Amino acid sequence: EPEVTQTPSHQVTQMGQEVILRCVPISNHLYFYWYRQILGQKVEFLVSFYNNEISEKSEIFDDQFSVERPDGSNFTLKIRSTKLEDSAMYFCATLKVSSYNEQFFGPGTRLTVL
Amino acid sequence: SQQGEEDPQALSIQEGENATMNCSYKTSINNLQWYRQNSGRGLVHLILIRSNEREKHSGRLRVTLDTSKKSSSLLITASRAADTASYFCATDAGEYGNKLVFGAGTILRVKS
Repeated sequence: EPEVTQTPSHQVTQMGQEVILRCVPISNHLYFYWYRQILGQKVEFLVSFYNNEISEKSEIFDDQFSVERPDGSNFTLKIRSTKLEDSAMYFCATLKVSSYNEQFFGPGTRLTVL
Repeated sequence: SQQGEEDPQALSIQEGENATMNCSYKTSINNLQWYRQNSGRGLVHLILIRSNEREKHSGRLRVTLDTSKKSSSLLITASRAADTASYFCATDAGEYGNKLVFGAGTILRVKS
């Protein structure tokens, strides 16, 4: 069964550094999402992406964050200047057009900002 | 917001028993979904129930939805130690493809 994959599984970075988290969506899926989960807390929506543009973003998704699909396959989340509070699990999710908004999640990238 | 909230926050049962988790939300929804998360891992989709459905089954899972009370329940029958995980409900509303709003989750521990 096709799966969403994410790399790396764990990223450790220094505060102020840039990180790029990568996701490979399921091939016939057209909607893409990033969510995050701070340890012990709820899963929170960050951004949704459809037809090569952002369709919705949350208050968390400020100017430090950006998303793109550079090569038509990978879907990336960039954090320009990481803060300690960006430490979290970041999940990519994808959705195909014909389903009832059943979003499929990747295994996540654990980001640790020191 | 349409936040889902689960109760109980934590549930501990013996293998073979049934586990029931509840979820409440605040606004009208299109769908409600349940996900499982093993410790520190990704979210696994369990089941989706549409707003015009009242009950749905999948294997040992039974989900009910009461839109008048804005609540849902997830029943896992004949639980196994492997069911030990966190369970989250997630709702969506508005246009197709809209974000999911997750509840805080129920931590289920099944003792063997």
